[in-house]
Amino acid sequence: AQSVTQLDSQVPVFEEAPVELRCNYSSSVSVYLFWYVQYPNQGLQLLLKYLSGSTLVKGINGFEAEFNKSQTSFHLRKPSVHISDTAEYFCAVSKAAGNKLTFGGGTRVLVKP
Amino acid sequence: EPEVTQTPSHQVTQMGQEVILRCVPISNHLYFYWYRQILGQKVEFLVSFYNNEISEKSEIFDDQFSVERPDGSNFTLKIRSTKLEDSAMYFCASGGRENTEAFFGQGTRLTVV
Repeated sequence: AQSVTQLDSQVPVFEEAPVELRCNYSSSVSVYLFWYVQYPNQGLQLLLKYLSGSTLVKGINGFEAEFNKSQTSFHLRKPSVHISDTAEYFCAVSKAAGNKLTFGGGTRVLVKP
Repeated sequence: EPEVTQTPSHQVTQMGQEVILRCVPISNHLYFYWYRQILGQKVEFLVSFYNNEISEKSEIFDDQFSVERPDGSNFTLKIRSTKLEDSAMYFCASGGRENTEAFFGQGTRLTVV
């Protein structure tokens, strides 16, 4: 079985400051890793994914994440946030293409002016 | 841009009533999923559907739940006799042939009273 832990339930951050959202996972097999964003009153939108290859993955809206196999982590970063980045962010894993996603508890990011 | 659409956006139903949540996946997608998110909790996998049959289901997906793809475009989730604890946001998702990414709809908020 897989599990995902997002260590921070809420992260307040000032506009133009950097942000890092932490995600750790456990799995007995290799996994695919994902970050989704949920803006208020909207569905889940994929930010980025790691399937294989380079451990640094770049996504939409200036986000990137780094896969660290030894630490079983997939932390999400953005060097300079905007007010519009206020949303909830979900880390997720699946063990293969087509398999179900297992989600973390989410991290709510509040960007302050 | 193609998207997954869900209807209705919000449904209120009385305990014990049957509800059908509707989804139109992205056309030419082959993999279909339902997830739910109880307020304040994680997004949880319910069921996956491929080649006209359930490919995996969670413990939550008991006999009260069923899925159907009645025609070439719709994918429905039926709850036969709703309980208060079924109140949640229900998300439909679909994946293409490679299925390395799930595309989510905006969700249906189900409130059981």
